[in-house]
Amino acid sequence: DTAVSQTPKYLVTQMGNDKSIKCEQNLGHDTMYWYKQDSKKFLKIMFSYNNKELIINETVPNRFSPKSPDKAHLNLHINSLELGDSAVYFCASSQGGSTTEAFFGQGTRLTVV
Amino acid sequence: AQSVTQLGSHVSVSEGALVLLRCNYSSSVPPYLFWYVQYPNQGLQLLLKYTTGATLVKGINGFEAEFKKSETSFHLTKPSAHMSDAAEYFCAVRDNDMRFGAGTRLTVKP
Repeated sequence: DTAVSQTPKYLVTQMGNDKSIKCEQNLGHDTMYWYKQDSKKFLKIMFSYNNKELIINETVPNRFSPKSPDKAHLNLHINSLELGDSAVYFCASSQGGSTTEAFFGQGTRLTVV
Repeated sequence: AQSVTQLGSHVSVSEGALVLLRCNYSSSVPPYLFWYVQYPNQGLQLLLKYTTGATLVKGINGFEAEFKKSETSFHLTKPSAHMSDAAEYFCAVRDNDMRFGAGTRLTVKP
């Protein structure tokens, strides 16, 4: 069983479109995250959800909106896609507490054309 | 806020040689430190972590790291590199979330 799964794995879309990326974790973790990895491999935290409450928002554009229907899911919705949104987006989860590691999904490669 | 800095964006070693990937942290409180590996077109996989206790931490695939408070470092080592070790390596510190360094790409030459 995949611990953290994302869909789709690849997403190619035109500028201006709206798209969503889904994430599910079956680890029973209470916190989920979205990271963006740019072309230079730099990982930037975008959002963090703990028990369905947003606890971190790293000044990302408001075109990006996380939606968590329940503790096991954290979806990422992106409005009015721009060329600069092209990146790999990773979902991750962890259990509360500073000593615990995050578990990552396989990533979604978003290409905006 | 806590942060980590990885020294060297690219490290190249020969197969069988020592691997040393450098990471320094900045933290006003005892840090919780992690090393992750990312193989091409894959997600991040935990190699090892330091929380408390023993400062020499052993991880998967023969890697280990030593927490040195005096040097604010958490360098990753492996005595003998394999071709399969070629990947991107990330040092991270746990704050409210996981904060990553810029990554170091390891190349292993035959």
